[in-house]
Amino acid sequence: SQTIHQWPATLVQPVGSPLSLECTVEGTSNPNLYWYRQAAGRGLQLLFYSVGIGQISSEVPQNLSASRPQDRQFILSSKKLLLSDSGFYLCAWNLQSGEAFFGQGTRLTVV
Amino acid sequence: AQSVAQPEDQVNVAEGNPLTVKCTYSVSGNPYLFWYVQYPNRGLQFLLKYITGDNLVKGSYGFEAEFNKSQTSFHLKKPSALVSDSALYFCAVREASYGQNFVFGPGTRLSVLP
Repeated sequence: SQTIHQWPATLVQPVGSPLSLECTVEGTSNPNLYWYRQAAGRGLQLLFYSVGIGQISSEVPQNLSASRPQDRQFILSSKKLLLSDSGFYLCAWNLQSGEAFFGQGTRLTVV
Repeated sequence: AQSVAQPEDQVNVAEGNPLTVKCTYSVSGNPYLFWYVQYPNRGLQFLLKYITGDNLVKGSYGFEAEFNKSQTSFHLKKPSALVSDSALYFCAVREASYGQNFVFGPGTRLSVLP
């Protein structure tokens, strides 16, 4: 069966520090991969999506970047965090027309 | 462009009563429709989907939803609510062409009162 791992679960980082959040999927091949941010326990904002290795599409210009170095690995990064980067980050995957499956999320607090 | 509306920020229902969480959508082509539930500080859990076929779809935990093309709606329903159903519910749409992204509604907070 397929599983998605996202870590860390919580993270407190100072302003100006770098960020790396990792997401891996097991049990499937060539998934579509997504990074979302959720603010204040409400709506999801799509940040990046990827349909294949090295293929990244950005939905919102911001202080973040994403990379897909392997088929089932998706990394969210920042060189210098801002206070406004705080939020709940969710990784997800799906195949073709199917539903998306989400990781457990990372609560990022920038202080 | 795709969009999803969930007109109610909050829905309150007594335990044992039927519940409905509303969702309307807009897409230019055929829609794929989804419902998710989120508990505090957790990821979204998939409940059910409509891709094609029967307009009434059944999902996890006794939930069901009815696709209504003329009203562009996909309301989530459950015949008898449980206190444990209290959570944040998201409707999502994806246009039926490969490569299109999911668009999520703003979420509806469901509170089931004992």
